[in-house]
Amino acid sequence: AQKVTQAQTEISVVEKEDVTLDCVYETRDTTYYLFWYKQPPSGELVFLIRRNSFDEQNEISGRYSWNFQKSTSSFNFTITASQVVDSAVYFCALIPGGTSYGKLTFGQGTILTVHP
Amino acid sequence: DAGVIQSPRHEVTEMGQEVTLRCKPISGHDYLFWYRQTMMRGLELLIYFNNNVPIDDSGMPEDRFSAKMPNASFSTLKIQPSEPRDSAVYFCASSPDRGRYGYTFGSGTRLTVV
Repeated sequence: AQKVTQAQTEISVVEKEDVTLDCVYETRDTTYYLFWYKQPPSGELVFLIRRNSFDEQNEISGRYSWNFQKSTSSFNFTITASQVVDSAVYFCALIPGGTSYGKLTFGQGTILTVHP
Repeated sequence: DAGVIQSPRHEVTEMGQEVTLRCKPISGHDYLFWYRQTMMRGLELLIYFNNNVPIDDSGMPEDRFSAKMPNASFSTLKIQPSEPRDSAVYFCASSPDRGRYGYTFGSGTRLTVV
């Protein structure tokens, strides 16, 4: 079975601070896909990034960056110079490549609050 | 593209009533997923379809829940009879494949059963 763990239930920072959201996953499949989604107060789920298990290259998109490490089964997300608009719930998720291929399993989410 | 469209956005109903949630996936997406979000259980997959055929309904909580996809552009999730514990946000999502590129989610339907 697949499992995604986001150990931080809530994080509170002050604007302009950097913040890292942790994600650890479990799967027996050698092929899998990892995702981060953002859920702002309005409630929709917004896709942020996808990474497949064969691509450990880190990625940066503006103030967002992601660090994928297969050795530790982690896919952490860093926001640099946080802003109030970053306040949201962030979900890490996994799609395994085996018999459960297609079933997106979410972590419990991390509530990020950025104070002005 | 209008994205995944769900209706209604909010639904309040009395216990015992039938509730129908609707979803229009993105055109060309062959996979459609129904998820439920609650505080206690987080986001959980209820059922998914491929080319209008239900593939895995192991997440459907009980017989009171049913889902259909009569054509490529429309799906429904029905709860009959509804109970207060069904109160949750229900999301529909679609994908061009089994999710390698992620799903596109609708805005969700917030269901309250009183």
